[in-house]
Amino acid sequence: AQSVTQLGSHVSVSEGALVLLRCNYSSSVPPYLFWYVQYPNQGLQLLLKYTTGATLVKGINGFEAEFKKSETSFHLTKPSAHMSDAAEYFCAVSYSTGANSKLTFGKGITLSVRP
Amino acid sequence: NAGVTQTPKFQVLKTGQSMTLQCAQDMNHEYMSWYRQDPGMGLRLIHYSVGAGITDQGEVPNGYNVSRSTTEDFPLRLLSAAPSQTSVYFCASSWQREANTEAFFGQGTRLTVV
Repeated sequence: AQSVTQLGSHVSVSEGALVLLRCNYSSSVPPYLFWYVQYPNQGLQLLLKYTTGATLVKGINGFEAEFKKSETSFHLTKPSAHMSDAAEYFCAVSYSTGANSKLTFGKGITLSVRP
Repeated sequence: NAGVTQTPKFQVLKTGQSMTLQCAQDMNHEYMSWYRQDPGMGLRLIHYSVGAGITDQGEVPNGYNVSRSTTEDFPLRLLSAAPSQTSVYFCASSWQREANTEAFFGQGTRLTVV
């Protein structure tokens, strides 16, 4: 079964500092990987995704993530945090399983940004 | 652009009551799904549909029913609400059932069962 592990439930950084949110997946076949963001009292929206090709993926709002097959990781980074980045972040994985594909989410990480 | 619309946004039910959470999308997406979000547990798939007339169970289907009579609508029914169903419910849709497509989410329904 596919699964996603997001270490820790809360990360706090200072404004302007590096943001690093970790995500590891379990896989016996090539995965598709996603990062979604949830702002307070809103639904989820896609930050970025990896399907095939270039392993460094750039998303919205200055975020990027690198697919590392050898480490089964897809960590999310942003060089300089902004107050508006405070939100909950979810890593998700899916696989093409023939007729139907299912998106499996990690437990989420809450990012706080200190002034 | 309406996208995925969920109603109601908030609901309080008594144990044993039934209700329907509504979900509609205007993007002509084939694939629709329902998730519940609980603290520390991420999002868990309840039911999903790959097209009108076709539904299937997800990870946590017990206590919930769905139907898909049109492409646009995918309601979620709670037959007899229980406190364990207190949660935030999200409806999502995507263009295809392929694994690499983006899912679009509604703003959620916050349900409390007392």
